[in-house]
Amino acid sequence: DAGVTQSPTHLIKTRGQHVTLRCSPISGHKSVSWYQQVLGQGPQFIFQYYEKEERGRGNFPDRFSARQFPNYSSELNVNALLLGDSALYLCASSSGLAYNEQFFGPGTRLTVL
Amino acid sequence: QKEVEQNSGPLSVPEGAIASLNCTYSDRVSQSFFWYRQYSGKSPELIMSIYSNGDKEDGRFTAQLNKASQYVSLLIRDSQPSDSATYLCAVNTNDYKLSFGAGTTVTVRA
Repeated sequence: DAGVTQSPTHLIKTRGQHVTLRCSPISGHKSVSWYQQVLGQGPQFIFQYYEKEERGRGNFPDRFSARQFPNYSSELNVNALLLGDSALYLCASSSGLAYNEQFFGPGTRLTVL
Repeated sequence: QKEVEQNSGPLSVPEGAIASLNCTYSDRVSQSFFWYRQYSGKSPELIMSIYSNGDKEDGRFTAQLNKASQYVSLLIRDSQPSDSATYLCAVNTNDYKLSFGAGTTVTVRA
């Protein structure tokens, strides 16, 4: 079975632009979570979607948005990019059951110039 | 107070030794606890999950949980150079969100 897939692998943008990151969860998993990881820190929770509904949102500005599609894949959108948005964006797949394990994809490395 | 705190590294151990990693968390109602391994430039890989007080062993890894003390630990026995990585402690602070510590970097000396 394929694991979690994310695209693109790397991305370079300039300040003010917007970006769309994509994720496909493990087959059979219905939940996708997004995390941001900056160098030297642990991942920070951005969103979780389950069955196409937003289940939770972390402490991120409204420039960050996401959605989940009927096939359970997901997109993370970031508008009006700032230099501080440069980070590794991680997608995690889980069954959606409470307190269950989350499995990460390879991540998208975003650099904002 | 941070939600999840890990012992500061880096931690350097000789090959074959035991590496001991510690983690404390602030939310008493946390239900599930995880250890992830992250190699430089890669994404986190789940290596251990623990839900009940006590020890859980998987190969050379042992996770220990003490909910009364709000403490989780990971022991790596017979450390190998391939164990050199950053280890992240993660806690479910509600039923969907993982809160992570900053990680402890382990270096195994050959």
